[in-house]
Amino acid sequence: EDQVTQSPEALRLQEGESSSLNCSYTVSGLRGLFWYRQDPGKGPEFLFTLYSAGEEKEKERLKATLTKKESFLHITAPKPEDSATYLCAVRNYGQNFVFGPGTRLSVLP
Amino acid sequence: DAGITQSPRYKITETGRQVTLMCHQTWSHSYMFWYRQDLGHGLRLIYYSAAADITDKGEVPDGYVVSRSKTENFPLTLESATRSQTSVYFCASEGAGGTDTQYFGPGTRLTVL
Repeated sequence: EDQVTQSPEALRLQEGESSSLNCSYTVSGLRGLFWYRQDPGKGPEFLFTLYSAGEEKEKERLKATLTKKESFLHITAPKPEDSATYLCAVRNYGQNFVFGPGTRLSVLP
Repeated sequence: DAGITQSPRYKITETGRQVTLMCHQTWSHSYMFWYRQDLGHGLRLIYYSAAADITDKGEVPDGYVVSRSKTENFPLTLESATRSQTSVYFCASEGAGGTDTQYFGPGTRLTVL
C-alpha cells in the first residue's frame, strides 16, 4: 500500500529563519512526487513535481529535493506570507495520487 | 470564468438524505478527481474519472456515487448521508496526456447532522 508521511506536523519559524519540511514515502512504482501549498479555506495549489532521485526544483524561497525514500521542501529566509499548510503527494503508475497529512507552517514577523 | 468551481460551498444536511456536490471545469481536462479532507487524514481519493463515461474507485468510495456524462462536469452524490461523511470535499482536474498537475476547486464544506 502506498503511503506518505510528513514531519513535522506543525512548524513555527521567525521571519528569515530557514528550515526544511520532510516527506517520506513508500510507493509501488513512483511516477512522480508533488508538493502543494494550501491556505486556510482554500483548495491546494500546485508547487512542484519531482520525477527522479537527485532532482531539484526551485520557486522563490522554496526548493524541493527528492531521494529514493523522501523529499524535502527547503524554505530559505521565509516571510509571513509563506505561512500555509504544505502537502506532499505521490502518484503511482495506476494514476492515483496519495497525499500526506501536511505540515502546517507559521512564519512570525 | 475559467477554472474549476464547486457548488455549494457550504451544505448542512441530515442523516439519511441524498446530497449532490457539483464540480465544473472550463479547461476540457480529461481527468477529474474527488477527494475528502479530514483532520489527521489529509486528502483521500474518493473517485476519479479519466474521461466522460469512465469512472473508477479511489481509496474511500463507499457511500458515494459519481457520474460523468459531460467532460466538464463531475458530480458526487451521497446517496444516504451519514455523520462520518462530514468533511471538506475537493474536486480537481488534470489535463490529458499525463501532465501530472492537478488543479483544485475551492472545496465544499459538508456537515451531516
